[in-house]
Amino acid sequence: SAVISQKPSRDICQRGTSLTIQCQVDSQVTMMFWYRQQPGQSLTLIATANQGSEATYESGFVIDKFPISRPNLTFSTLTVSNMSPEDSSIYLCSARLQGNNEQFFGPGTRLTVL
Amino acid sequence: SQQGEEDPQALSIQEGENATMNCSYKTSINNLQWYRQNSGRGLVHLILIRSNEREKHSGRLRVTLDTSKKSSSLLITASRAADTASYFCATVLIQGAQKLVFGQGTRLTINP
Repeated sequence: SAVISQKPSRDICQRGTSLTIQCQVDSQVTMMFWYRQQPGQSLTLIATANQGSEATYESGFVIDKFPISRPNLTFSTLTVSNMSPEDSSIYLCSARLQGNNEQFFGPGTRLTVL
Repeated sequence: SQQGEEDPQALSIQEGENATMNCSYKTSINNLQWYRQNSGRGLVHLILIRSNEREKHSGRLRVTLDTSKKSSSLLITASRAADTASYFCATVLIQGAQKLVFGQGTRLTINP
């Protein structure tokens, strides 16, 4: 298995500001992903974080709103830009291990936008 | 969009009983994974079952996969109060990008 850490674990932010969430994996991984979980809902994939290149975004998510970096194999950041109350969600980092299809998740970042 | 649909959306049983949750999907898969999420917490990986497998066990958990019906089930035997959580199935498709797509989840409540 893999241990995935995220920080911050939670934050309360003002409308119009931006927040960057960091994700660190303790194992060699092939793929990293970012998901959003709105209150009472399931997980929705935001994007696949690609090492050294632009992330691959899902329909409904754009780079200007959710810029993502992945400078190396085990670290990624997600920025939630120009936040509004509708961005209040849990944001989860996820990683798939080398040689294994199992996909693991970080503890999530609970974001509240006022 | 969600690939899977889970049934039931909510399930409430007595401690000691067995709990069965079902997951159906639409498109051919590479594998299917089950997760547990306690309220407000991260996801815990339970079991991965590949498309060429029909059944897997892990402790009190049993997962089945029927690719002809595009469905899977998760059975928790001898349930405990600590099993109270939301359970999600998620699939990786055969074609296209290797994305893990989640179902809507089942909220399981075990009553002491």
